[in-house]
Amino acid sequence: DTGVSQNPRHKITKRGQNVTFRCDPISEHNRLYWYRQTLGQGPEFLTYFQNEAQLEKSRLLSDRFSAERPKGSFSTLEIQRTEQGDSAMYLCASSTGQGATNQPQHFGDGTRLSIL
Amino acid sequence: AQSVTQPDIHITVSEGASLELRCNYSYGATPYLFWYVQSPGQGLQLLLKYFSGDTLVQGIKGFEAEFKRSQSSFNLRKPSVHWSDAAEYFCAVGTYGNQFYFGTGTSLTVIP
Repeated sequence: DTGVSQNPRHKITKRGQNVTFRCDPISEHNRLYWYRQTLGQGPEFLTYFQNEAQLEKSRLLSDRFSAERPKGSFSTLEIQRTEQGDSAMYLCASSTGQGATNQPQHFGDGTRLSIL
Repeated sequence: AQSVTQPDIHITVSEGASLELRCNYSYGATPYLFWYVQSPGQGLQLLLKYFSGDTLVQGIKGFEAEFKRSQSSFNLRKPSVHWSDAAEYFCAVGTYGNQFYFGTGTSLTVIP
Protein backbone atom coordinates (compact mmCIF):
# COMPACT_ATOMS: atom_id res chain seq x y z
CA ASP A 1 0.00 0.00 0.00
CA THR A 2 1.91 3.01 -1.27
CA GLY A 3 -0.93 5.43 -0.61
CA VAL A 4 -2.64 7.93 -2.86
CA SER A 5 -0.19 10.06 -4.80
CA GLN A 6 -0.93 13.51 -6.22
CA ASN A 7 1.16 15.63 -8.54
CA PRO A 8 2.17 18.34 -8.52
CA ARG A 9 2.04 19.32 -4.84
CA HIS A 10 1.92 22.99 -5.70
CA LYS A 11 0.88 24.83 -8.85
CA ILE A 12 1.11 28.56 -9.39
CA THR A 13 -0.36 29.93 -12.57
CA LYS A 14 -1.75 33.11 -14.07
CA ARG A 15 -5.43 33.71 -14.38
CA GLY A 16 -6.77 32.37 -17.65
CA GLN A 17 -4.27 29.54 -17.99
CA ASN A 18 -5.18 25.86 -18.03
CA VAL A 19 -3.90 23.48 -15.37
CA THR A 20 -3.96 19.71 -15.01
CA PHE A 21 -3.49 17.65 -11.87
CA ARG A 22 -2.81 13.95 -11.61
CA CYS A 23 -3.89 11.42 -8.99
CA ASP A 24 -2.62 7.87 -8.63
CA PRO A 25 -4.91 5.93 -6.28
CA ILE A 26 -4.09 2.90 -4.18
CA SER A 27 -3.70 0.17 -6.76
CA GLU A 28 -6.53 -2.14 -5.73
CA HIS A 29 -9.05 0.68 -5.22
CA ASN A 30 -11.79 0.89 -7.83
CA ARG A 31 -13.26 4.20 -6.66
CA LEU A 32 -11.59 7.56 -7.03
CA TYR A 33 -12.81 10.93 -5.77
CA TRP A 34 -11.87 14.56 -6.27
CA TYR A 35 -12.49 17.21 -3.64
CA ARG A 36 -11.76 20.91 -3.32
CA GLN A 37 -10.78 22.43 0.01
CA THR A 38 -10.52 26.14 0.71
CA LEU A 39 -9.03 27.73 3.80
CA GLY A 40 -11.05 27.07 6.92
CA GLN A 41 -13.40 24.68 5.21
CA GLY A 42 -13.82 20.95 4.94
CA PRO A 43 -13.33 19.16 1.63
CA GLU A 44 -16.15 19.66 -0.87
CA PHE A 45 -17.02 16.83 -3.19
CA LEU A 46 -16.39 17.47 -6.90
CA THR A 47 -16.72 14.14 -8.68
CA TYR A 48 -16.11 10.43 -8.41
CA PHE A 49 -15.28 7.47 -10.58
CA GLN A 50 -15.99 3.80 -10.25
CA ASN A 51 -13.31 2.21 -12.38
CA GLU A 52 -13.26 4.35 -15.56
CA ALA A 53 -16.87 5.53 -15.29
CA GLN A 54 -17.55 8.99 -13.91
CA LEU A 55 -20.66 8.34 -11.84
CA GLU A 56 -21.37 11.63 -10.17
CA LYS A 57 -20.49 15.28 -10.54
CA SER A 58 -21.17 18.07 -8.10
CA ARG A 59 -22.80 21.31 -9.15
CA LEU A 60 -19.52 22.87 -8.00
CA LEU A 61 -17.90 21.35 -11.07
CA SER A 62 -18.42 24.03 -13.71
CA ASP A 63 -17.92 23.49 -17.42
CA ARG A 64 -14.33 24.65 -17.02
CA PHE A 65 -13.55 21.55 -14.97
CA SER A 66 -13.11 18.11 -16.47
CA ALA A 67 -11.93 14.88 -14.94
CA GLU A 68 -10.91 11.63 -16.55
CA ARG A 69 -9.89 8.18 -15.47
CA PRO A 70 -9.21 6.55 -18.82
CA LYS A 71 -8.07 3.10 -17.78
CA GLY A 72 -9.58 2.93 -14.36
CA SER A 73 -6.25 3.61 -12.71
CA PHE A 74 -4.86 7.16 -12.46
CA SER A 75 -7.06 10.21 -12.91
CA THR A 76 -6.55 13.76 -14.14
CA LEU A 77 -8.44 16.90 -13.21
CA GLU A 78 -8.17 19.79 -15.66
CA ILE A 79 -9.26 23.35 -15.06
CA GLN A 80 -9.53 25.54 -18.11
CA ARG A 81 -9.34 29.34 -18.11
CA THR A 82 -8.52 29.47 -14.41
CA GLU A 83 -10.09 32.15 -12.23
CA GLN A 84 -9.06 33.62 -8.87
CA GLY A 85 -11.80 31.63 -7.18
CA ASP A 86 -10.18 28.38 -8.29
CA SER A 87 -7.37 28.89 -5.79
CA ALA A 88 -7.72 25.99 -3.37
CA MET A 89 -6.31 22.64 -2.33
CA TYR A 90 -7.48 19.87 -4.64
CA LEU A 91 -7.63 16.53 -2.88
CA CYS A 92 -7.89 13.09 -4.39
CA ALA A 93 -9.11 10.04 -2.49
CA SER A 94 -9.66 6.40 -3.32
CA SER A 95 -11.57 3.49 -1.84
CA THR A 96 -12.88 0.03 -2.56
CA GLY A 97 -16.58 -0.68 -2.78
CA GLN A 98 -19.52 -1.44 -5.04
CA GLY A 99 -22.99 0.04 -5.30
CA ALA A 100 -24.27 1.59 -2.14
CA THR A 101 -21.54 0.30 0.11
CA ASN A 102 -19.45 2.77 2.03
CA GLN A 103 -15.78 2.25 2.63
CA PRO A 104 -13.25 4.62 4.13
CA GLN A 105 -11.67 6.96 1.64
CA HIS A 106 -7.90 7.27 1.64
CA PHE A 107 -6.61 10.73 0.77
CA GLY A 108 -3.55 12.03 -0.98
CA ASP A 109 -1.65 15.08 0.22
CA GLY A 110 -3.35 17.30 -2.32
CA THR A 111 -2.34 19.80 -4.97
CA ARG A 112 -2.39 23.41 -3.85
CA LEU A 113 -3.38 25.73 -6.70
CA SER A 114 -2.60 29.43 -6.52
CA ILE A 115 -3.94 31.77 -9.20
CA LEU A 116 -2.00 35.01 -9.69
CA ALA B 1 -30.25 17.23 2.65
CA GLN B 2 -27.11 15.73 4.09
CA SER B 3 -24.93 17.91 6.25
CA VAL B 4 -22.40 17.80 9.03
CA THR B 5 -22.00 20.43 11.73
CA GLN B 6 -18.94 20.84 13.86
CA PRO B 7 -19.93 23.57 16.32
CA ASP B 8 -16.45 24.28 17.64
CA ILE B 9 -14.19 26.08 15.18
CA HIS B 10 -11.21 26.04 17.51
CA ILE B 11 -10.41 24.24 20.77
CA THR B 12 -7.41 24.64 23.05
CA VAL B 13 -6.51 21.98 25.61
CA SER B 14 -3.55 21.35 27.85
CA GLU B 15 -1.35 18.37 27.17
CA GLY B 16 -2.59 15.42 29.19
CA ALA B 17 -6.12 16.75 29.46
CA SER B 18 -9.12 14.98 27.98
CA LEU B 19 -10.64 16.03 24.68
CA GLU B 20 -14.09 15.91 23.13
CA LEU B 21 -14.83 17.23 19.65
CA ARG B 22 -18.47 17.55 18.69
CA CYS B 23 -20.11 16.45 15.47
CA ASN B 24 -23.77 16.52 14.49
CA TYR B 25 -25.06 15.16 11.23
CA SER B 26 -28.21 15.33 9.18
CA TYR B 27 -29.04 12.35 7.00
CA GLY B 28 -32.29 10.56 6.35
CA ALA B 29 -30.98 7.02 6.40
CA THR B 30 -28.55 5.04 8.49
CA PRO B 31 -25.35 7.05 8.39
CA TYR B 32 -21.83 5.92 7.80
CA LEU B 33 -19.70 8.21 9.94
CA PHE B 34 -16.02 9.01 9.90
CA TRP B 35 -13.47 11.16 11.67
CA TYR B 36 -10.38 12.35 9.82
CA VAL B 37 -7.38 14.37 10.96
CA GLN B 38 -5.41 16.79 8.80
CA SER B 39 -2.01 18.28 9.56
CA PRO B 40 -1.01 21.53 7.81
CA GLY B 41 -0.33 21.04 4.13
CA GLN B 42 -1.24 17.38 4.25
CA GLY B 43 -4.12 15.20 3.19
CA LEU B 44 -6.65 13.65 5.53
CA GLN B 45 -5.92 10.59 7.63
CA LEU B 46 -8.72 8.32 8.78
CA LEU B 47 -9.01 8.11 12.58
CA LEU B 48 -12.06 5.88 12.87
CA LYS B 49 -15.32 4.88 11.25
CA TYR B 50 -18.81 3.81 12.26
CA PHE B 51 -20.87 1.61 9.98
CA SER B 52 -23.14 -0.34 12.31
CA GLY B 53 -23.14 -2.37 15.53
CA ASP B 54 -21.42 -1.19 18.67
CA THR B 55 -21.99 2.53 19.02
CA LEU B 56 -18.61 3.11 20.66
CA VAL B 57 -15.84 2.73 18.12
CA GLN B 58 -12.13 2.72 18.67
CA GLY B 59 -9.67 4.29 16.30
CA ILE B 60 -6.01 4.96 15.88
CA LYS B 61 -3.85 7.12 18.15
CA GLY B 62 -6.05 6.41 21.18
CA PHE B 63 -9.16 8.12 19.80
CA GLU B 64 -12.70 6.85 20.19
CA ALA B 65 -16.10 8.09 19.10
CA GLU B 66 -19.65 7.40 20.19
CA PHE B 67 -22.61 7.29 17.83
CA LYS B 68 -25.85 8.54 19.38
CA ARG B 69 -28.73 8.18 16.97
CA SER B 70 -31.18 10.05 19.20
CA GLN B 71 -28.93 13.10 19.19
CA SER B 72 -27.63 12.69 15.61
CA SER B 73 -24.16 12.99 17.04
CA PHE B 74 -20.80 11.31 16.59
CA ASN B 75 -18.44 12.96 19.07
CA LEU B 76 -14.73 12.22 19.10
CA ARG B 77 -12.92 11.72 22.39
CA LYS B 78 -9.45 11.11 23.72
CA PRO B 79 -8.69 10.65 27.42
CA SER B 80 -5.24 12.25 27.36
CA VAL B 81 -4.10 14.60 24.61
CA HIS B 82 -0.52 14.66 23.32
CA TRP B 83 1.18 17.66 21.74
CA SER B 84 1.31 15.74 18.45
CA ASP B 85 -2.50 15.69 18.34
CA ALA B 86 -2.57 19.37 17.37
CA ALA B 87 -4.23 19.40 13.93
CA GLU B 88 -7.52 19.99 12.14
CA TYR B 89 -10.23 17.38 12.73
CA PHE B 90 -13.04 16.69 10.29
CA CYS B 91 -16.21 14.69 10.77
CA ALA B 92 -17.84 13.22 7.67
CA VAL B 93 -21.01 11.37 6.77
CA GLY B 94 -21.00 8.87 3.92
CA THR B 95 -24.18 8.55 1.93
CA TYR B 96 -25.63 6.05 -0.51
CA GLY B 97 -23.03 5.56 -3.20
CA ASN B 98 -20.15 6.57 -0.93
CA GLN B 99 -20.36 10.34 -1.40
CA PHE B 100 -18.87 12.01 1.65
CA TYR B 101 -20.02 15.25 3.25
CA PHE B 102 -17.52 16.92 5.56
CA GLY B 103 -17.96 19.39 8.38
CA THR B 104 -16.00 22.63 8.44
CA GLY B 105 -13.52 21.19 10.87
CA THR B 106 -12.28 21.86 14.40
CA SER B 107 -8.77 23.17 14.89
CA LEU B 108 -7.08 21.73 17.96
CA THR B 109 -4.28 23.53 19.78
CA VAL B 110 -2.41 21.71 22.53
CA ILE B 111 -0.56 23.78 25.10
CA PRO B 112 2.25 22.32 27.20
